[in-house]
This record gives sequence, C-alpha cells and structure tokens, in this order.
Amino acid sequence: GAVVSQHPSWVICKSGTSVKIECRSLDFQATTMFWYRQFPKQSLMLMATSNEGSKATYEQGVEKDKFLINHASLTLSTLTVTSAHPEDSSFYICSAERDLVGTQYFGPGTRLTVL
Amino acid sequence: GESVGLHLPTLSVQEGDNSIINCAYSNSASDYFIWYKQESGKGPQFIIDIRSNMDKRQGQRVTVLLNKTVKHLSLQIAATQPGDSAVYFCAENITPRTGNQFYFGTGTSLTVIP
Repeated sequence: GAVVSQHPSWVICKSGTSVKIECRSLDFQATTMFWYRQFPKQSLMLMATSNEGSKATYEQGVEKDKFLINHASLTLSTLTVTSAHPEDSSFYICSAERDLVGTQYFGPGTRLTVL
Repeated sequence: GESVGLHLPTLSVQEGDNSIINCAYSNSASDYFIWYKQESGKGPQFIIDIRSNMDKRQGQRVTVLLNKTVKHLSLQIAATQPGDSAVYFCAENITPRTGNQFYFGTGTSLTVIP
C-alpha cells in the first residue's frame, strides 16, 4: 500500500509554455500533499503544501503565481509551472501524507527540461 | 533545514560491512524524523521513522538512533548490500501536526563495493 504516482515522468517543453504535473495517491486518500524540487546531487527543497479543498501554502521564496497548485480531490494534486524557463528545469517530486502519524510517501518524480 | 548548492557527502563501504549514515538537525522542536533512500532518477523511498520520545528504532537490517541532546540522527544498515547503494536523506518535521512540512538534510551518497 501507499503508492503515489506522478505523470508525466519526463517532459521537455519550449520556453514560455506551461506544464502541468499530476500527483496521485493510488491506494489511499491524502488530505495533504507536498511538492518538492530537486536539483542534481542536491537535497529536496519543499516548495509548497497542497491541502485538499483549500489554497496551497507556499514556502518562502516560491512564487505562487509561477507554480500553481490545485488539490481538487483526496487523491489528486496538480502542479502547473507557468511560462516555464530554462531555470525551471528540475526534478519535481510530490509526496502524500497517508495517515495521522504524518508519514509521507513519495511519487517517482517528474523531470522537467525547458529548452 | 534546507540545503542548497552543497555537494553530497559520500560513504563507501564493502559489501557485507555495516554502514552508518549521520544527520544533524537544527531545530530542537522537531519531533518526528524519517530516513529516506533515493536511487538515481527516482523519488525517495521511506526506510524508517522515529519520534522524539524514542532513542532507537529497529527495522529490517536498519536501525535509527536519535540523540536529542546533540540533535543528531543516525541510520545504521547491517550487512550492506549492493542494492543499498543510493542517496540517503534524513527529514525532520518542524511544524505542528496541522502542517506536516518536512525539511530534508543534505543527504549522503552510499556506494557499496562488491
């Protein structure tokens, strides 16, 4: 149990386009999901907390108009990178909080390459 | 806390030996910790967790030790195998239950030599 999927696994886009990444909890409901960003050989940086039915909470320094988050159901959160630029190229990882103890289970990640 | 622009510490061990990976955390209010394993190009995988009311917790071939006095966490892997080669992160929860944000340490790259 506790499987989290992401789609797509890899996306290449032109500068200026918007890209949507989906995060799904497949076998459990997740009131809270999290979005992280990871550069090569670096740690995960928390971008935002996605709460079902309410606005996302963004970490300091993360532009909410740039990274739009929608948590429309208990099994789906989406991250849209708007007007992507090469510096947005990164590995984006979501996690879902499974139960009351707060353990997070991670998706496989989405590699975004902006040309 | 967050780490930006830092190179990962590395640890090389011989297959069959025990591995010890260390992590220092910054916030004395942190009360929940998780160790994750991340293989190249994949998302982090949960290994083991521990709460601040415990000093030690054991899983299958892994043990986590928590020293709250010096704010130090360690992950011990017994009889390390080639499949254990990965980057290992500790994550700390530093907010109340209503906002379970986790912040990741720098990570340690473990290489197991056959």
